[in-house]
Amino acid sequence: AQTVTQSQPEMSVQEAETVTLSCTYDTSESDYYLFWYKQPPSRQMILVIRQEAYKQQNATENRFSVNFQKAAKSFSLKISDSQLGDAAMYFCAYREMYSGGGADGLTFGKGTHLIIQP
Amino acid sequence: EPEVTQTPSHQVTQMGQEVILRCVPISNHLYFYWYRQILGQKVEFLVSFYNNEISEKSEIFDDQFSVERPDGSNFTLKIRSTKLEDSAMYFCARTATEKGTEAFFGQGTRLTVV
Repeated sequence: AQTVTQSQPEMSVQEAETVTLSCTYDTSESDYYLFWYKQPPSRQMILVIRQEAYKQQNATENRFSVNFQKAAKSFSLKISDSQLGDAAMYFCAYREMYSGGGADGLTFGKGTHLIIQP
Repeated sequence: EPEVTQTPSHQVTQMGQEVILRCVPISNHLYFYWYRQILGQKVEFLVSFYNNEISEKSEIFDDQFSVERPDGSNFTLKIRSTKLEDSAMYFCARTATEKGTEAFFGQGTRLTVV
């Protein structure tokens, strides 16, 4: 079974600075997807960024970028120019690319609580 | 693309009662999912649903849970006899296509069992 590990229960960063959230995963598959989701106090799950395992190029979405190291099974999220609105729980998630039923669920890590200090 | 809409936003129920949580999708969505998040814990996959059938379910999704999409409209999660440990946020999610990768989540239903 796949597992996703987020070793940082909580991180704190000054506004406008850069922070990196760690995620490692374990899988025997070669093709899969990785995601970062943001969960603000409203508790809605918001997709931040995704990465296909077959792509060597790291995904980027504005101030959010990832460092995907396939051999090391590492998928960290970097947030540049941190803003107060970035304060939230961040969850790393994994999904297989192929499945018999066509609709596998996501496997989530336990999350990292990101605090932005003004 | 819009997320799905879930109702109710918060439900309180007596232990042992049945509850039905609803997810209102856009008509061309094919794949639906239910996830659960116990307070302070990670989000856990419950079940996926495709073409009006369960595609995959986790070990959490035992006989007290059921899903259906009556008349092709609302996608529902039923918990037959609620327990205190069923108190959690329940999220509905969808992907738009067979090869869709991102799961877009609804705003969640907070279920409180007393």
